[in-house]
Amino acid sequence: DGGITQSPKYLFRKEGQNVTLSCEQNLNHDAMYWYRQDPGQGLRLIYYSQIVNDFQKGDIAEGYSVSREKKESFPLTVTSAQKNPTAFYLCASSIGRANEQFFGPGTRLTVL
Amino acid sequence: QQQVKQSPQSLIVQKGGISIINCAYENTAFDYFPWYQQFPGKGPALLIAIRPDVSEKKEGRFTISFNKSAKQFSLHIMDSQPGDSATYFCAAFYSGGYQKVTFGIGTKLQVIP
Repeated sequence: DGGITQSPKYLFRKEGQNVTLSCEQNLNHDAMYWYRQDPGQGLRLIYYSQIVNDFQKGDIAEGYSVSREKKESFPLTVTSAQKNPTAFYLCASSIGRANEQFFGPGTRLTVL
Repeated sequence: QQQVKQSPQSLIVQKGGISIINCAYENTAFDYFPWYQQFPGKGPALLIAIRPDVSEKKEGRFTISFNKSAKQFSLHIMDSQPGDSATYFCAAFYSGGYQKVTFGIGTKLQVIP
């Protein structure tokens, strides 16, 4: 069964804590992405990676960090520097540029 | 700066009716225009997509109309069903660089019996 998995589904964080969201894909896709979704807003790109060991900032990268040590994995860390982290986070992957992006089921992060 | 403007933000359609959602873009370098469907608590799923060399694409009850000169594209859902109730996002991609990936704000569609 090919697809993208994200974990956990729900995550609660205290202010000042860093948390890491997991994203794994077994589609053999080179490119992976992280988006943030807030109510009434479209998806906003946080980071993207075209190949292993390479990633680029998107539109709203401040307060976030990523790594791409393996083709299958693209974890996102929400740091304490992110001032408003409560949101729905979506991971996606694609074969290449401008091709269909496949999305994971999302992680809902809530800061307590 | 909103590079893709989507309207309306919400839409109520009766079962069997036609749902129409519109998007307008600014950057003529965009070369791939998909529509995504998202149910509450789930990730978006690709519904249908078009490239600017065609003016219309139809898949089942879903049709994209594309007007390159006006820089507009729209999604038409024929014979709308209650199961179509979801949020729909348009997007515009530029194959030359990821920084041009832009999503619309989304349209919440409700199909009532």
